[in-house]
Amino acid sequence: NAGVTQTPKFQVLKTGQSMTLQCAQDMNHEYMSWYRQDPGMGLRLIHYSVGAGITDQGEVPNGYNVSRSTTEDFPLRLLSAAPSQTSVYFCASSYTLGSGNTIYFGEGSWLTVV
Amino acid sequence: ILNVEQSPQSLHVQEGDSTNFTCSFPSSNFYALHWYRWETAKSPEALFVMTLNGDEKKKGRISATLNTKEGYSYLYIKGSQPEDSATYLCAFNFNKFYFGSGTKLNVKP
Repeated sequence: NAGVTQTPKFQVLKTGQSMTLQCAQDMNHEYMSWYRQDPGMGLRLIHYSVGAGITDQGEVPNGYNVSRSTTEDFPLRLLSAAPSQTSVYFCASSYTLGSGNTIYFGEGSWLTVV
Repeated sequence: ILNVEQSPQSLHVQEGDSTNFTCSFPSSNFYALHWYRWETAKSPEALFVMTLNGDEKKKGRISATLNTKEGYSYLYIKGSQPEDSATYLCAFNFNKFYFGSGTKLNVKP
């Protein structure tokens, strides 16, 4: 059972470059989300989706785009990378947003923007 | 944005000590409260999901309680071991998941 798979694990970008972080889950989860983790700040929600074709913004959406064309995939796009986007990114999924559903996390993607 | 606060921010204890941390959250419109254990360079691992006021959950030496009326949850570790060293995150589930910034526990042998 693969769970939540995100790639790449490490990436270095130059300022202004674009890239996509991939996230896939094989658990038929409706809810998928992207978080960034910065020192002393815990996990901050970037974007989330409650089902295919539905996305919404989290706390820190600026500079990021998402789409949800299938239940399984939820890619995160950095449109024009900035040093402030240097962070560790986690993709997470849950069966629904309803009570009692555990969130499952990917292994993280370490992104450095120089 | 709903605030989820965890305290203390970090904690250093000796092996064998018992310890506890606090997670505070808005007490209205509650779905669930989650606790996660997060080791450096790994993904967060689910410990407990609690949904009812007065819930108590236990997993080995780790237990948690929930008070939805006053908006807090406690996580307890009995007889801490070096392998318990990690960051412990709580998450409040309302219409999204809102995470606290975590309590970083260091257990010295």
